[in-house]
Amino acid sequence: DQQVKQNSPSLSVQEGRISILNCDYTNSMFDYFLWYKKYPAEGPTFLISISSIKDKNEDGRFTVFLNKSAKHLSLHIVPSQPGDSAVYFCAASAGTSGSRLTFGEGTQLTVNP
Amino acid sequence: DTGVSQNPRHKITKRGQNVTFRCDPISEHNRLYWYRQTLGQGPEFLTYFQNEAQLEKSRLLSDRFSAERPKGSFSTLEIQRTEQGDSAMYLCASRRDTGELFFGEGSRLTVL
Repeated sequence: DQQVKQNSPSLSVQEGRISILNCDYTNSMFDYFLWYKKYPAEGPTFLISISSIKDKNEDGRFTVFLNKSAKHLSLHIVPSQPGDSAVYFCAASAGTSGSRLTFGEGTQLTVNP
Repeated sequence: DTGVSQNPRHKITKRGQNVTFRCDPISEHNRLYWYRQTLGQGPEFLTYFQNEAQLEKSRLLSDRFSAERPKGSFSTLEIQRTEQGDSAMYLCASRRDTGELFFGEGSRLTVL
């Protein structure tokens, strides 16, 4: 069963505009959520995280929003830059101590100059 | 470079052969994870170690797969009698007790 789902396989935006990547989850035990970015032939790189006690976390151009009642989170990138073009994975874990991360399928973001 | 290191980066083998991958985590990280990623999918959890103890194994980890972390530092993932379905990117990650995982660049396996 796919506990973390990213329904959009791809997203294309213009440089300078906002990119919004979405993620849904089904496991109500998840309490820690992360976004990773992956370039071809490299491992995933951590981007930003949010605990379930918060509904928003911001780091520079990246903001993650969590809607626990809807079991939905989103990543906003503003302004988008061509270097942001990569595959973005949403991940979640239940409990913060040693728990595995469950990943979504990923969304390919392309930022056009 | 103090990141997670994986070797080899790419392995091509014939069906039925055994392969072994090595992962050197970030030195102060006591938790080490193995994931597998196939095209168009996100990383799938295989197994995880806390120090030298293997604490969790996914049902994806068939009896042809074995992982070790003998001294709580580096880890190896061995696949015996490889099958074409084993072709994937094998990712290693490490972290402290909490927080984000730090991934290596992966070891790509191609089984002919």
